Amino acid sequence: KNEVEQSPQNLTAQEGEFITINCSYSVGISALHWLQQHPGGGIVSLFMLSSGKKKHGRLIATINIQEKHSSLHITASHPRDSAVYICAVRNSGGGADGLTFGKGTHLIIQP
Amino acid sequence: DTAVSQTPKYLVTQMGNDKSIKCEQNLGHDTMYWYKQDSKKFLKIMFSYNNKELIINETVPNRFSPKSPDKAHLNLHINSLELGDSAVYFCASSRDRGDGYTFGSGTRLTVV
Repeated sequence: KNEVEQSPQNLTAQEGEFITINCSYSVGISALHWLQQHPGGGIVSLFMLSSGKKKHGRLIATINIQEKHSSLHITASHPRDSAVYICAVRNSGGGADGLTFGKGTHLIIQP
Repeated sequence: DTAVSQTPKYLVTQMGNDKSIKCEQNLGHDTMYWYKQDSKKFLKIMFSYNNKELIINETVPNRFSPKSPDKAHLNLHINSLELGDSAVYFCASSRDRGDGYTFGSGTRLTVV
C-alpha cells in the first residue's frame, strides 16, 4: 500500500463544476504539497500545507493533521484546469529527504 | 530566467552507455533533488542533497550518482545504462524547510 493515497484516480467534469480531490497519508509528515502536472509534462507546486487551509485564486487546499487527510478544491472549473494533480508529503523524520508522492488524479474539464 | 533548468530535455542513448543530466537552480535554495517518473507517471525520490549531505533512496542502483560542484548545481550521472532506466527525470530544489519547491522541466531519457 502506498504511503500516500489519492482519490479519485480519474475525474471528468463539466466547466463550472466544483472539484474536490482527496489525499490520505499514513506517515507522520512535516508538510504536504499539492502539485500540478500539465500534459506538456512540467510540474508546478500549487500549495505547501502544514495545517489549516490555503487559498490561491480558484484553488483551495485544506489539511486535517489528526485525520491525516488533505483536500484540493477547484471552484468554477475551467478546461485549462485539466491536468494531473499530485499530492506529496514530506516525512517528519527531518533531514534532506525528498517528497513521497501519490499516484495522481487525472482531471479533465470539458467545455 | 528559468529558476530550475535541466539539460538536455531529451536524451536517446544505447544500452551500456554512460550519460549525464545537468541541473542548475538560480533561486538560492539550500536543497536539490532528483526524481524519477516512470511510464505509469509515478514519481519517486532518487536523491536529495543539502549542505554536502547526500541522502540516497535505497532502491536506486549504484549506477546512478549525483555530483554537486556547488550549491546551485546537482548533476546526475548514470553508468552502464539499462532499458529499465528509460523514464523522465526531474530535478527540483527547495528552501531548507521544504517550501518554495520548484521543479525543472524534466529530461526524457530513452535507452534503446
